[in-house]
Amino acid sequence: KAGVTQTPRYLIKTRGQQVTLSCSPISGHRSVSWYQQTPGQGLQFLFEYFSETQRNKGNFPGRFSGRQFSNSRSEMNVSTLELGDSALYLCASSIDNEKLFFGSGTQLSVL
Amino acid sequence: KNEVEQSPQNLTAQEGEFITINCSYSVGISALHWLQQHPGGGIVSLFMLSSGKKKHGRLIATINIQEKHSSLHITASHPRDSAVYICAVRGRTGNQFYFGTGTSLTVIP
Repeated sequence: KAGVTQTPRYLIKTRGQQVTLSCSPISGHRSVSWYQQTPGQGLQFLFEYFSETQRNKGNFPGRFSGRQFSNSRSEMNVSTLELGDSALYLCASSIDNEKLFFGSGTQLSVL
Repeated sequence: KNEVEQSPQNLTAQEGEFITINCSYSVGISALHWLQQHPGGGIVSLFMLSSGKKKHGRLIATINIQEKHSSLHITASHPRDSAVYICAVRGRTGNQFYFGTGTSLTVIP
């Protein structure tokens, strides 16, 4: 069974740009959650989608958004990038409120 | 304020030692997760707990809901156990996740 796939693996953007990251969950998993990891703040929860609906969200500004498609693939978008958005963005999939399976992450650098 | 506190922050052990990592949380939870992250590597979920105790190989995780505390034990530690161990809880209200800052474990041969 293929694992959670995140693309791209690395991304370099400049301030003010926007970015879209993709996450393909394990087949059969309907829940996809997104996280930001930085050396200073550690792991922080962004949002979770289940069956194309956002089920809950963390304390991030509205510049961070996401969506989930009918095949459970998910995207997250960050608009008007700031230097502080440089981070490793991870997604995880699960069947539903069960064990999490993480992707390898997208390393975003904002210059 | 940190909803999840882990201790210790750093831990160095000799191969074969018994290791304990602690996690305390302040919110009502529906589940607690123990995660492992190797340097430069991805995150692996070790356990998901809502009560009691779970064991997988040399790893044991326990949770005490009344005391809002969980422990991760590693028996007969090995250098390949060197990693960062992260405690995460899913809040009962709002359903969002809260993370500890992690425990960096180094096991010396």
